Amino acid sequence: EVQLVESGGGLVQPGGSLRLSCSASGFTFSVYSMNWVRQAPGRGLEWVSYITSTSGTIYYADSVKGRFTVSRDNAKNSLYLQMNSLRDEDSAIYYCASSNGSLDNWGQGTLVTVSS
Amino acid sequence: DIVMTQSPDSLAVSLGERATINCKSSQSILYNSDNKNYLTWYQQKPGQPPKVLISWASTRESGVPDRFSGSGSGTDFTLTISSLQAEDVAVYYCQQYFTIPRTFGQGTKVEIK
Repeated sequence: EVQLVESGGGLVQPGGSLRLSCSASGFTFSVYSMNWVRQAPGRGLEWVSYITSTSGTIYYADSVKGRFTVSRDNAKNSLYLQMNSLRDEDSAIYYCASSNGSLDNWGQGTLVTVSS
Repeated sequence: DIVMTQSPDSLAVSLGERATINCKSSQSILYNSDNKNYLTWYQQKPGQPPKVLISWASTRESGVPDRFSGSGSGTDFTLTISSLQAEDVAVYYCQQYFTIPRTFGQGTKVEIK
């Protein structure tokens, strides 16, 4: 069974940093591109970042470019999102999702709250 | 960026009746080299992550009931629930994967009338 489990969310002050992790199991993580998608409370879905299987190609939404860094460790079946200079508007549930065209499989998400 | 616009924002349908959700992209998401539309429909129930219903605009995912169908091409797409069931109450999103940034529609909330 495919499983994606996010962790690392929490309460952080504006300007602070947080590192999210996504642990994958039940599929060959190393061959799949991965994404981070976020959803502010009561709002819609916003794609955040994309990384190919070998980390050779990485993309970010303009809203996080220069502040967030995505990475992965295929040996550990893990995906990461380093979030710096956090703003109020970054508050959201952050999901990791594998992609093969569509965002096929999603984790349950981890909540990030940016507030003073 | 490709803007995805869904209509309506919400709809209430009686059990057993048809529900239709539209999605319009600001530019074509039909890739000429493979003649595929790079569009997915997701269903999101409260407290859950989104789930893929339909990919490539009209290909139903394994395990998805056949009352769900997708149609359209180019810039105009439709998700149809042919006979609404109580368990279909959810928010539905379209999303293009034709280009970066991946973009979602704003969502359509489906309720029981």
